[in-house]
Amino acid sequence: DAGVIQSPRHEVTEMGQEVTLRCKPISGHNSLFWYRQTMMRGLELLIYFNNNVPIDDSGMPEDRFSAKMPNASFSTLKIQPSEPRDSAVYFCASSSWERGGTDTQYFGPGTRLTVL
Amino acid sequence: AQKVTQAQTEISVVEKEDVTLDCVYETRDTTYYLFWYKQPPSGELVFLIRRNSFDEQNEISGRYSWNFQKSTSSFNFTITASQVVDSAVYFCALSEADSGTYKYIFGTGTRLKVLA
Repeated sequence: DAGVIQSPRHEVTEMGQEVTLRCKPISGHNSLFWYRQTMMRGLELLIYFNNNVPIDDSGMPEDRFSAKMPNASFSTLKIQPSEPRDSAVYFCASSSWERGGTDTQYFGPGTRLTVL
Repeated sequence: AQKVTQAQTEISVVEKEDVTLDCVYETRDTTYYLFWYKQPPSGELVFLIRRNSFDEQNEISGRYSWNFQKSTSSFNFTITASQVVDSAVYFCALSEADSGTYKYIFGTGTRLKVLA
């Protein structure tokens, strides 16, 4: 079975450019999470969706960041304009969320973003 | 407030030694879940185990074992007869179910180096 798919795997861009990261969750999963990992701050949850609806975006650092999930099979995380401090590895994870319980989050391979 | 503490930043052992990675958590929820993930040098996050708060049985999977003790709020991970391939960063995570958010709170990770 295919796991969580993320693209691109690596992205190098210049400050001020728009960056779009993509994620395809595991088929059948109804929750999707976007994380950022840096040496300084570790793993941070940016936003998560249940059934394509954003539930908690309190981790989104600022208005330059936006995320969408137009359908159950696809999500994007966009940074516009990008800044050097956005350089990090961005992970997408998916799980099957059910009220009264939780399920394991399975992570994609990550996108390593470098903003020059 | 919920919190996960991995006090060991880095551990080095020689191959075939046993090693225990500590995880201490804080939560007010009565229903919660604990997880361990492995992040090898290649960067992906690999799920290892999930435990719910009502199941204090220890778990063994090959060379890996986990000791969950609610009395000390700990969920420690032991690798028996360590191998070089075990070298990775290991993360402990907590998910609280009572609050209904099911977000993960990650520890800062323990870097394990297994020397040949």
